[in-house]
Amino acid sequence: GNSVTQMEGPVTLSEEAFLTINCTYTATGYPSLFWYVQYPGEGLQLLLKATKADDKGSNKGFEATYRKETTSFHLEKGSVQVSDSAVYFCAPADRGSTLGRLYFGRGTQLTVWP
Amino acid sequence: EPEVTQTPSHQVTQMGQEVILRCVPISNHLYFYWYRQILGQKVEFLVSFYNNEISEKSEIFDDQFSVERPDGSNFTLKIRSTKLEDSAMYFCASSVILAGPTDTQYFGPGTRLTVL
Repeated sequence: GNSVTQMEGPVTLSEEAFLTINCTYTATGYPSLFWYVQYPGEGLQLLLKATKADDKGSNKGFEATYRKETTSFHLEKGSVQVSDSAVYFCAPADRGSTLGRLYFGRGTQLTVWP
Repeated sequence: EPEVTQTPSHQVTQMGQEVILRCVPISNHLYFYWYRQILGQKVEFLVSFYNNEISEKSEIFDDQFSVERPDGSNFTLKIRSTKLEDSAMYFCASSVILAGPTDTQYFGPGTRLTVL
């Protein structure tokens, strides 16, 4: 079956530090890969996505590359800001599912201090 | 920017009672989903819905759960007889086009259900 292993949080960084949140997955097929972010008091928002091997998704300075050989989709940002404080979720979508159900990791809480 | 809305934001109920969680998907979206997150655990898929039918459901979505699109705008999740273990944050999501797994699902802010 499908599953996601995501780096445990919480992660605490100073502003302008480099961020990596690891995500690996198992899948019976060839999933599309998503990162969602949840800011305090809000819903899950798409941060970025990649749909095939070696694709790089990027948004707001965040990047993640679809690594099929290592079944990974690690999230990175070169210089975090206080406004990046949120919970980040890695979520493959099941291609075997008609409407692409998402499988979520536990989420990684990120806190950025000024 | 259009967004998915959910009401109520917090629902408290007694065990055994029925609850209905409401969602208004983005207006031109055709595909609808419910997920839930028990405190401290993963976000889990419950059900997907298209063309007034359930497309897929997980093992969590048993006979106590049902979904409905009663009109052109609302999408509801009903739990007939709530249990303590149904306490969770429930997220509604919608997507626009059938490109399947590459489609972005847009999420609402969630309803926190507390069963006492």
